[in-house]
Formats: sequence, C-alpha cells, structure tokens
Amino acid sequence: DTEVTQTPKHLVMGMTNKKSLKCEQHMGHRAMYWYKQKAKKPPELMFVYSYEKLSINESVPSRFSPECPNSSLLNLHLHALQPEDSALYLCASSQGPGQGGYGYTFGSGTRLTVV
Amino acid sequence: TQLLEQSPQFLSIQEGENLTVYCNSSSVFSSLQWYRQEPGEGPVLLVTVVTGGEVKKLKRLTFQFGDARKDSSLHITAAQPGDTGLYLCAGSSPMDSNYQLIWGAGTKLIIKP
Repeated sequence: DTEVTQTPKHLVMGMTNKKSLKCEQHMGHRAMYWYKQKAKKPPELMFVYSYEKLSINESVPSRFSPECPNSSLLNLHLHALQPEDSALYLCASSQGPGQGGYGYTFGSGTRLTVV
Repeated sequence: TQLLEQSPQFLSIQEGENLTVYCNSSSVFSSLQWYRQEPGEGPVLLVTVVTGGEVKKLKRLTFQFGDARKDSSLHITAAQPGDTGLYLCAGSSPMDSNYQLIWGAGTKLIIKP
C-alpha cells in the first residue's frame, strides 16, 4: 500500500461546528504532516509528527488541534473556524527523521469550506 | 530565510512544444523534489534529486540538479495535454533536522491541443 488516504474529501462546516479530518497511511512512514493550501499557492506547513510525537507546530491557531493516535493515523480536529480557514487540507507522510528529503506522499486532500 | 524562486509562474503552450521550468535559490539544499498537482488533488511526487549535477529522466520529463545544489530545472519534451497541471519544486535544507520543505511558488502549465 503506497498511498495516503484522507477523509472526508469535501467538508462544509459552520463557524460553531466541531469536525475532524482523518488521514491514514500504511507505508511504515514515521513522519506525518498537515498542510494547508490556498488556491494557486504552494502548501503551507501546519504540523509535523515524528514517531507519533508533535515536533513542529507552525504557529497554528488553537482552533486547529492535531492528534496522532498511532503510527498510521493522523487527525486534525477543527473547532470554531473562520471563513478564511477555507482551503484544501493535505496530509502527507515521509520516512523517519532525516528522510524527508526523499519525498513526501500526499493524500488527495480535504476541501474545507467554512460558512 | 531560505527561498526557492520558481519561474515561470504561468505557461501556456501548444501540444508538441518543449518547455523548461526553473527553481533557483541562493541556499544549498540537501535534496530537491518536483511535484505535479491537479486541481482538487494532492501533489504527486515526480522525482527527488540528491547529488549535485544529477540528471533524472521520467519519460519526456528531464530533471536536473545544479552542481552547487542551489538550483534545479524541469524540462518537458513534446508536451502533451496530459502534462497540464501545477508543478511545484520543494527543497530540503541540510540545516533542518525536522525535514521541513521549502516550496517554490509553483508553475501553472497549460498544454493546448
């Protein structure tokens, strides 16, 4: 299995809702990432998990809360989002520490719309 | 702060033409990756170059890493409509132990039949 699976594909949520994005990989990769991507822009790093521990939080607002239940799963919990948070949210994985330079495998993303 | 300058930002050409996309930096990278992204999908890794001067070929796509590992190019020969997409370069810094990527701004490529 050489892919990263993200669910849901599309999500529309109100500003008072709580929702979660899910990501799963079975490649044995030990680093997992959440990225946010706006239209016609490159991905922006949000969080990095290395060996199931949060190693990077790129000053992301607390309304985004990541969770890594095990080495294959990554969640992003959403609460009280703003319309400007609407974007494509991408999950990615790579081999362990120092191996990010050998390429990331991205999921197909969750298109999030906040209304 | 490391930057990757990618050019051109937009390119629209006829089927059968050749093109080159560039990524340049004043910083050294331990590796450089090229991705292709279709609308509403995640980026798909095309290639990773690691050694200065390295050239890799993927069918009609040729990737080159500069001798000093500060720049890279993607050359497409006889472009096809299926090559249409957003091409992104991303560099891995040798100074970064957390394996973050430095991203170029992307090249939106349209191949007209």
